[in-house]
Amino acid sequence: GQSLEQPSEVTAVEGAIVQINCTYQTSGFYGLSWYQQHDGGAPTFLSYNALDGLEETGRFSSFLSRSDSYGYLLLQELQMKDSASYFCAGGGPDIPTFGRGTSLIVHP
Amino acid sequence: DADVTQTPRNRITKTGKRIMLECSQTKGHDRMYWYRQDPGLGLRLIYYSFDVKDINKGEISDGYSVSRQAQAKFSLSLESAIPNQTALYFCATSEGGGTDTQYFGPGTRLTVL
Repeated sequence: GQSLEQPSEVTAVEGAIVQINCTYQTSGFYGLSWYQQHDGGAPTFLSYNALDGLEETGRFSSFLSRSDSYGYLLLQELQMKDSASYFCAGGGPDIPTFGRGTSLIVHP
Repeated sequence: DADVTQTPRNRITKTGKRIMLECSQTKGHDRMYWYRQDPGLGLRLIYYSFDVKDINKGEISDGYSVSRQAQAKFSLSLESAIPNQTALYFCATSEGGGTDTQYFGPGTRLTVL
C-alpha cells in the first residue's frame, strides 16, 4: 500500500513563494500528482511527476526525488486566489492514494 | 457542460434511510471512482470500477454499495445511512491507471441526522 504525508497547513503572504512538501511510503509507486481544491469545490489536477526532477507549469512547479521518496509543489508569486487545499497523490499501477491535504492560506 | 456531474448536490436524510448518489461522465473514460472527503482526512476511496463488469472495493467500502449501469454512469448507495457517513462525496473518472489525471465531479454534500 501507500501512505503520503504532507503538512496540514501553510501560510504565506501575497507575492511570496511557498513550498508544500510530500513524503511517501509505498510498495509500488509510479509517480506523484498534485491537485488543488478550493473550499467547497472539486479537486482539480495541477501537475504530475513520473521522473525525478522539476516540472514547471506557469507559477506552479512540482519536484520529485524517488531516491528520497519526496516531492514538493512550489507556488510562486502567490495570489489571494491560491488560498486552497493542495493534495499530493501517489500513483500505483491501478489507483492513486491521496495525502490528507495542505491548507494554504495567503495573506495580503 | 461539465464533464462529470453528480446528483444530488446536497442531501439531508435520517438514520436508517437508503440513499443513492448518482454520477455521470461524458469523457468516455472506462475508469470511475467514488471518494469520501472528511475534514483533515483527505480523499478516501470507497469503490472503483475499471469497466462495466469490473467493480472493486476501496479503502472504506463497508456500509456502501455501487452499481455501474453503463460506461458513463456509476452510482453509490448507502443501504442504511448512519450519522458517521455525513461527508462530502466525490465521483471521479480517469482514462487510465493510478497515475492518470483524475477528473472530479462537483461533489455531493450528505448529512445524516
